[in-house]
Formats: sequence, structure tokens, C-alpha cells
Amino acid sequence: DARVTQTPRDKVTEMGQEVTMRCQPILGHNTVFWYRQTMMQGLELLAYFRNRAPLDDSGMPKDRFSAEMPDATLATLKIQPSEPRDSAVYFCASGTTLNTEAFFGQGTRLTVV
Amino acid sequence: DQQVKQNSPSLSVQEGRISILNCDYTNSMFDYFLWYKKYPAEGPTFLISISSIKDKNEDGRFTVFLNKSAKHLSLHIVPSQPGDSAVYFCAARDSGTYKYIFGTGTRLKVLA
Repeated sequence: DARVTQTPRDKVTEMGQEVTMRCQPILGHNTVFWYRQTMMQGLELLAYFRNRAPLDDSGMPKDRFSAEMPDATLATLKIQPSEPRDSAVYFCASGTTLNTEAFFGQGTRLTVV
Repeated sequence: DQQVKQNSPSLSVQEGRISILNCDYTNSMFDYFLWYKKYPAEGPTFLISISSIKDKNEDGRFTVFLNKSAKHLSLHIVPSQPGDSAVYFCAARDSGTYKYIFGTGTRLKVLA
């Protein structure tokens, strides 16, 4: 049962703390996306990778957000320091250039208090 | 600027009737358009797509129509069922970068 796995599912943290969200893409998928769901913007694209190389991270606040792919089975999104306005659901998705659709994980619900 | 727009935040439809969800786009460099369905506390799941060279694609109760001259697409669900109640996202794939741009979603409620 191929699926995108995200951890943790829920995270509550205090303002100023570092937060790391993890994503395991579907085996064989060479493109990984990070999205953030907000009420006003819907699903915002934060960053994406192809073959582990970052292609576009223009959607991320550069001063506090960073995204990496240490290997083909792991993508990370880090926020340091976190702020209350970062509270949202963060989704990872993976796909290939051969397929039409991308597949989403269950999301990480982040609450910064 | 929002390249993919869903102007209706919500829609209510009676069970058995047709649901029509709309989406507009501004970029002509999209090669595929997709619809995703999202239930609470779950990730979006792919529903149906259409190539930019087609004007219609049908899959069971779901049909997507594409009007390129108007830069508009719509998703028709017929007959609508209570289990279709969810948030529906329209998305477009950029033909050069293969990244997906999403709309803000439409919450569909199918009334029994």
C-alpha cells in the first residue's frame, strides 16, 4: 500500500521553538512538494524538490523556514524560530514527471502557542 | 497573485442532484488540470484530471469540463451523494516546472 507518510501528525509547540516535520515519499517518486493549508490561501506551495535537488522555495519565509532532502526516502521542513502565525496544516506530496497527479500525506497539524 | 481561483467557498446540494464546482485560471502554461477531494483531518486525494488538449473527461459520476478560451474548468458530480461532502480543490500543473498550483477550495455539502 504505497503512501506518503508524514510525522508527526500533530505538534504543539511554544513560540520560539524549533519545529521539524518529516515526510517519506512514495518509493520511486522523484518529486516532493511541501504545501501549507490556510483558510485564506488554500494550499500554498512552500517548496519542492526533484531528484532531491531543491527547485523552488520561493513560497517559504526564508529567514525561518528551511527544507531539505537528506536522501530519497526523507524530506524535512524545519521552522526556527516558530511563531504563532505558522500555525497551519503542512502537507507533503510526492509524484513523478510521468504521472499526472501528486499524492498527499495525511499532514502535520502545527500549533504554535 | 492567485493563478488558480475558486470563487465559491461553499456549495450545498440536495442528494441525487448535480453538483457543479467551478475554477478559473490565469496562466496558459498549465498542461493538466486536476481536482482533489479533502475530508477533515486527511490529506487531499486525487479525484480526476484533464489534459489541456481535451475539453471533457469522465469517470463514473465525475466529469470535468475544460473551456480553454474562457480559462475555466468545472467539476460535475451527478448524482451527488452525502459521502461527496468534502472540500474540493482545483489544481493546475505547470508544463515547464511540473509544480501544482492549487485554488482555495470549495466546501461541498450534500444534503440527505
